[in-house]
Amino acid sequence: GNSVTQMEGPVTLSEEAFLTINCTYTATGYPSLFWYVQYPGEGLQLLLKATKADDKGSNKGFEATYRKETTSFHLEKGSVQVSDSAVYFCALSHTNTGNQFYFGTGTSLTVIP
Amino acid sequence: DGGITQSPKYLFRKEGQNVTLSCEQNLNHDAMYWYRQDPGQGLRLIYYSQIVNDFQKGDIAEGYSVSREKKESFPLTVTSAQKNPTAFYLCASSPDRLFGEQYFGPGTRLTVT
Repeated sequence: GNSVTQMEGPVTLSEEAFLTINCTYTATGYPSLFWYVQYPGEGLQLLLKATKADDKGSNKGFEATYRKETTSFHLEKGSVQVSDSAVYFCALSHTNTGNQFYFGTGTSLTVIP
Repeated sequence: DGGITQSPKYLFRKEGQNVTLSCEQNLNHDAMYWYRQDPGQGLRLIYYSQIVNDFQKGDIAEGYSVSREKKESFPLTVTSAQKNPTAFYLCASSPDRLFGEQYFGPGTRLTVT
């Protein structure tokens, strides 16, 4: 079935460090892939998405490339800020399951000044 | 401003009591969803509704009930049959097809003692 695996946290980085959060998926064909961010005490917000292979989603300095060959959608940012501290969720949706969303377990990021 | 409202933010109940969580959206979205979030886990789908007066069970519907009498409202009742009701509950909606890009509310944290 469809599933998402993302790296376990928590991740702690110094301000301006480079960020990578790994996400791999299991699905047949071509699902749509998403990164959501959850700030403390809030709901999830869509950060970026990609709907076909080799697409790159980007937003607020974050990027992720849909890699079909490695079934991955790793999240990256070149220089993190304290305000990026949050929990990041990788997710997929696929037409073979009525486009139902499957979320990873989330990766907590703390950026220290 | 358009958005999704969940109230209250924090809710406390005694074991054995039913409790209803509110979810309202003014985005004119057709589809609405309820998720449960537990520490260290991804989101799990409880119920979803594609149109008014229609809803479907998600992966963990046991012990929950919903109604969809109005397009903008999708309340969730946590019944006394739900064995582990303490969790963070998130409501979401999507504008297009079922399970298209989802927009989340701020969540309700329910504590049952």
